[in-house]
Amino acid sequence: KAGVTQTPRYLIKTRGQQVTLSCSPISGHRSVSWYQQTPGQGLQFLFEYFSETQRNKGNFPGRFSGRQFSNSRSEMNVSTLELGDSALYLCASRTDPSMNTEAFFGQGTRLTVV
Amino acid sequence: GEDVEQSLFLSVREGDSSVINCTYTDSSSTYLYWYKQEPGAGLQLLTYIFSNMDMKQDQRLTVLLNKKDKHLSLRIADTQTGDSAIYFCAELASGGSYIPTFGRGTSLIVHP
Repeated sequence: KAGVTQTPRYLIKTRGQQVTLSCSPISGHRSVSWYQQTPGQGLQFLFEYFSETQRNKGNFPGRFSGRQFSNSRSEMNVSTLELGDSALYLCASRTDPSMNTEAFFGQGTRLTVV
Repeated sequence: GEDVEQSLFLSVREGDSSVINCTYTDSSSTYLYWYKQEPGAGLQLLTYIFSNMDMKQDQRLTVLLNKKDKHLSLRIADTQTGDSAIYFCAELASGGSYIPTFGRGTSLIVHP
C-alpha cells in the first residue's frame, strides 16, 4: 500500500508569491491534516479535512487555505508569502478523524521563501 | 489550554539507555503518543499509551505515564546510532477536535 505522498518535496519562492502544496493520502483514508514544522515553533496544526469539508482549523492567518477533493487528495495554498512561512509542511492521513486512529505522515514539502 | 513541553536535546552513548521526558497541561488527555522523525522524513508513530495506563513496554521502548504530575517519558534501551532522530511527544484531549497537540521535539544524538 502506498504511503502518504506529498509534492513537491522542495520549493523556493520569493516574498509576495503564492504557493500550492499537494498531499495524496493513503488509499482509503478520508481525513487529511496539515502541519507546519519550524525549528522555533515545532509542529503547528494548520487544518484538517474530512470528506471534502474542513473540520478543524489551527491558529493561522487567512493567507493559509486548503481544500480536499472527492478522491481525498488535499491541497494547501499560501498566498502573499512571507519569509516566516519558510518551513517543512507535513501532511497526515487517517482513515477517519475519530479518537484513536493512527495518523500517517508524508515526508513533507520543504518551502523556502527568499 | 493545551501545552506540551519537551527538552530540546539529548546526547547519549551507544549502548546506554535514553530517557526522553515530556510534560503536558491538559488533564483531560486521553491518549499520549511518541513519534519519531528521522532526517528528511515525516513523523512515524512509535507507540502510544492510554491515560488509564501507567506503563507500556514494546521491545526496547518503555513508556511511563505519571498522570498526577502530567509527565510522560520514553525510555529506549540499548540505544543505537539508528535511534538518532527527533522524538515528539503528543497528547490527545477528550471532548475536543481529536487533533493531537505536539511538543517541539527532542533531538536525540547517539554517539559511539
